[in-house]
Amino acid sequence: SAVISQKPSRDICQRGTSLTIQCQVDSQVTMMFWYRQQPGQSLTLIATANQGSEATYESGFVIDKFPISRPNLTFSTLTVSNMSPEDSSIYLCSVDRTGVENEQFFGPGTRLTVL
Amino acid sequence: SQQGEEDPQALSIQEGENATMNCSYKTSINNLQWYRQNSGRGLVHLILIRSNEREKHSGRLRVTLDTSKKSSSLLITASRAADTASYFCATDEGAQKLVFGQGTRLTINP
Repeated sequence: SAVISQKPSRDICQRGTSLTIQCQVDSQVTMMFWYRQQPGQSLTLIATANQGSEATYESGFVIDKFPISRPNLTFSTLTVSNMSPEDSSIYLCSVDRTGVENEQFFGPGTRLTVL
Repeated sequence: SQQGEEDPQALSIQEGENATMNCSYKTSINNLQWYRQNSGRGLVHLILIRSNEREKHSGRLRVTLDTSKKSSSLLITASRAADTASYFCATDEGAQKLVFGQGTRLTINP
């Protein structure tokens, strides 16, 4: 099993600022995923991050708003840029545990509140 | 891709009773997975059922899959207070991407 940590666990930010969320995995993984969970809602995939290549963004999400870095096989960051209250959500990273059946391990999440 | 639908959206039962949650999806899948989320924290993987499987058990969990109806159910038997959580189905539709259902909020009353 994979152990995943995220920093920060929660933050309260002002409108117009940016926040970078870190995701650290205790083993090397090929693919890392970033999700957004708006209050009371399900998870929506933001992007898939592969080491050594540009992240692949889902419809409705753009790199300028959610830049992602993947400098090595155990670490990734997601930045939420120019925040507005609508960005208030839980942001979760995950990894594919098996690399075969897309069974994912999730980090504990970052709870973001934008005022 | 479109998210699956789960019903009920919320379920409240007495401790010791069985809880059944249903999930429907729209496209062909490689597998279907169920996850649990406690109080807005990270998700915990519960069980995976492949598209060629019809039923799977894990402890107090039983999952069924009907690909002709594009639906799945999760049964938790002999529920406990610690089972209180949100439960999500997720379909693997290929391209290594999971699509999550809307979730069922389960409350177990002591």
